[in-house]
Amino acid sequence: QSVLTQPPSASGTPGQRVTISCSGSNSNIGSNIVNWYQHLPGTGPKLLIYNNHQRPSGVPDRFSGSKSGTSASLAISGLQSEDEADYYCATWDDSLNGSFGGGTKLTVL
Amino acid sequence: EVQLLESGGALVQPGGSLRLSCAASGFTFANYAMSWVRQAPGKGLEWVSGISGSSYTTYYADSVKGRSIISRDNSRNTLYLQMNSLRAEDTAVYYCAKVISDYNYVTFDYWGQGTLVTVSS
Repeated sequence: QSVLTQPPSASGTPGQRVTISCSGSNSNIGSNIVNWYQHLPGTGPKLLIYNNHQRPSGVPDRFSGSKSGTSASLAISGLQSEDEADYYCATWDDSLNGSFGGGTKLTVL
Repeated sequence: EVQLLESGGALVQPGGSLRLSCAASGFTFANYAMSWVRQAPGKGLEWVSGISGSSYTTYYADSVKGRSIISRDNSRNTLYLQMNSLRAEDTAVYYCAKVISDYNYVTFDYWGQGTLVTVSS
């Protein structure tokens, strides 16, 4: 069981905006940065957002991240079919462990 | 171009041992912390272990602490994970990942393609 809670699934139609939440606690999200990864089957995950809201070079500005207190969110605007993937939040814990959320499977209808 | 290539995955019996390797290229390996992350079949990602560039600092998930040792050989640009007393629940694809400088051990800008470890009799 993950210490970070994500909804198991999310969906939207092309062009829509979807958000994925990630809930933690004071010892993880509350005191550390949050990152978001996109994972397609058979590949290594891809960094989408780091340091709560920063986008690596090459990641479209359709992807945005935010954090407030012990929760974080990933927003995807202008949804595209190629966005269909699994999405994971990740953070460090004050007990010196890394933590990933359980993952959210995004379906583009 | 940064490349991370894992190897060493295999079918192993419960209680057995295995050493995974991750060959790195395209960056100055010694300057970056590295981590291992795994994904069990049908499950999500799980952080396993991390090591600083100098090997001075290592971290382990509770699920592998005492059974696994992370190490690196900066002269060979290679990261390792020695796994002992393997259990069925260790069955997973194991990824190595490069940590972004000055960030924590779950902030990765590059990942390998993974190597499959299956623990079964």
